[in-house]
Amino acid sequence: NAGVMQNPRHLVRRRGQEARLRCSPMKGHSHVYWYRQLPEEGLKFMVYLQKENIIDESGMPKERFSAEFPKEGPSILRIQQVVRGDSAAYFCASSEGYEQYFGPGTRLTVT
Amino acid sequence: DQQVKQNSPSLSVQEGRISILNCDYTNSMFDYFLWYKKYPAEGPTFLISISSIKDKNEDGRFTVFLNKSAKHLSLHIVPSQPGDSAVYFCAARGGYSGTYKYIFGTGTRLKVLA
Repeated sequence: NAGVMQNPRHLVRRRGQEARLRCSPMKGHSHVYWYRQLPEEGLKFMVYLQKENIIDESGMPKERFSAEFPKEGPSILRIQQVVRGDSAAYFCASSEGYEQYFGPGTRLTVT
Repeated sequence: DQQVKQNSPSLSVQEGRISILNCDYTNSMFDYFLWYKKYPAEGPTFLISISSIKDKNEDGRFTVFLNKSAKHLSLHIVPSQPGDSAVYFCAARGGYSGTYKYIFGTGTRLKVLA
């Protein structure tokens, strides 16, 4: 049973470009969560999705950030017009019960 | 508003001794608590969890204790091994309002000295 997959593992974008981060949950999991970790900080909740629905996006910045989890395919976290402050590690987790299982993360660097 | 707090940013323990990592929370509606271990450049790895209706859960060298009246949980690692050196996060699940959001603490960096 494959774990949570995230790609790319590393992403470099120039200021103003778009970043697309993908997450494939564990097989059988229908709940996906996105977190951001800034250097030397903890994991900050961003958004919680189920298939085709956003359940809780209270941690998402109001502008430039969006997330989706379509009926088919991976969940996508999209950051438009990236700025230097978006540089961070973005982790996806999936669950189908109480425990969440994390992917390896995508490290976004904005130059 | 930090609902889950890990007040010790770091902890050093001798190999073979007990490591105790602490976590405090403020919201009495949390229904499930989890501990994760994280190595640099990797995703967090699930370690152990506990339901809010329990006060102890044990899995091998790892034991989690929950004190609901004090809103406090702790992770005990016995005996500690050098491979346990990592950052440990506690997390709480908000089982209220129909949203199962997980709130994480800021982490404690454990160093086990050989």
